[in-house]
Amino acid sequence: DAKTTQPPSMDCAEGRAANLPCNHSTISGNEYVYWYRQIHSQGPQYIIHGLKNNETNEMASLIITEDRKSSTLILPHATLRDTAVYYCIATLNTDKLIFGTGTRLQVFP
Amino acid sequence: DAGVTQSPTHLIKTRGQQVTLRCSPKSGHDTVSWYQQALGQGPQFIFQYYEEEERQRGNFPDRFSGHQFPNYSSELNVNALLLGDSALYLCASSPDPFGGPEAFFGQGTRLTVV
Repeated sequence: DAKTTQPPSMDCAEGRAANLPCNHSTISGNEYVYWYRQIHSQGPQYIIHGLKNNETNEMASLIITEDRKSSTLILPHATLRDTAVYYCIATLNTDKLIFGTGTRLQVFP
Repeated sequence: DAGVTQSPTHLIKTRGQQVTLRCSPKSGHDTVSWYQQALGQGPQFIFQYYEEEERQRGNFPDRFSGHQFPNYSSELNVNALLLGDSALYLCASSPDPFGGPEAFFGQGTRLTVV
């Protein structure tokens, strides 16, 4: 699995878009970019994943650069319930997820 | 669908004791993985069970062992507990041994070793 680098923490005002960056410069051609989040004292929750095209679902959007060396998770209208640790993972399969320390997103009123 | 369920939610054990944690996978899932999450760290992969056998293992000592039952539920056993084994233990299930598009996690068991 490719190593990923994320900022340790970010703040976002409620109702604004939260843009969480992730660097994965050594990603291989067949590795996906996955995002999970972990709300305090709960298990990680899948958010979204992509290979090379931008992806959108009901939770978030994922923007992957053309060279695939970095990506951004976008929460379009952050709420207080989005306060969590967000993990970016580059992997071929989800059978063995390698978590880093993630980005702690704090959404404030 | 109850999702992934783990028991117990909290547990306190004494150093040197043994502990068993339990996990029931999401309905329709036959693969179970276990993770250890120390305070302030991301989850670390312990091992994965599929077809009642350990399919792959992370960098954990033999004190950590597991089992999968015919109904796909799983147990994690830790022998000779150390203070450093205090952590949140997470179970994840998936519909195939390669993980599929996403892994579903339970709420975890908080183990405290004193």
